[in-house]
Amino acid sequence: EDKVVQSPLSLVVHEGDTVTLNCSYEVTNFRSLLWYKQEKKAPTFLFMLTSSGIEKKSGRLSSILDKKELFSILNITATQTGDSAIYLCAVEFWADGLTFGKGTHLIIQP
Amino acid sequence: DTAVSQTPKYLVTQMGNDKSIKCEQNLGHDTMYWYKQDSKKFLKIMFSYNNKELIINETVPNRFSPKSPDKAHLNLHINSLELGDSAVYFCASSPRGGARDTEAFFGQGTRLTVV
Repeated sequence: EDKVVQSPLSLVVHEGDTVTLNCSYEVTNFRSLLWYKQEKKAPTFLFMLTSSGIEKKSGRLSSILDKKELFSILNITATQTGDSAIYLCAVEFWADGLTFGKGTHLIIQP
Repeated sequence: DTAVSQTPKYLVTQMGNDKSIKCEQNLGHDTMYWYKQDSKKFLKIMFSYNNKELIINETVPNRFSPKSPDKAHLNLHINSLELGDSAVYFCASSPRGGARDTEAFFGQGTRLTVV
């Protein structure tokens, strides 16, 4: 069974729309949750979340973690075609390494 | 039925030693990668193999040598380990190589500590 589940698996929106990507995980010695944007050569690090309820922002991107309900969301506002990518969620569990979700394939249409 | 598996999960070794990290994928993918995760959680690509052929070789010391005996395996051998090699190394595979937005599946990482 998957420890880290991302949804939706794919999403197509128009430029300017706002999108919300979801990541849920099982409880097993949670340490932190990371978001990456899959780029051509390597995933680009976006955010690391360790505390519940504290929003992290970077430009049009923001993310928040809910440790009670065991999920995180990644928001992108005013989307642009350059935001098209696969967004990966990864959870660090103590003594168990980093587990990646399958990713959300986001397509932004002009 | 783990898709991408790395061994070992943890590796503690002394400076100057030679060590290998193994990676295997059972997804039938053609392309495999090695990444190094730094202390800031950035993932840097080291190598990429497509059908046992090296296609990406970033600026990595010669002490690091990938070996792909078949397309399901990509092992990373490191000679003369240095303190700065301590990091988490990730293996990944994807069904296509070199394309943007290609889906990739990651192993759980190998935490290498050089003492």
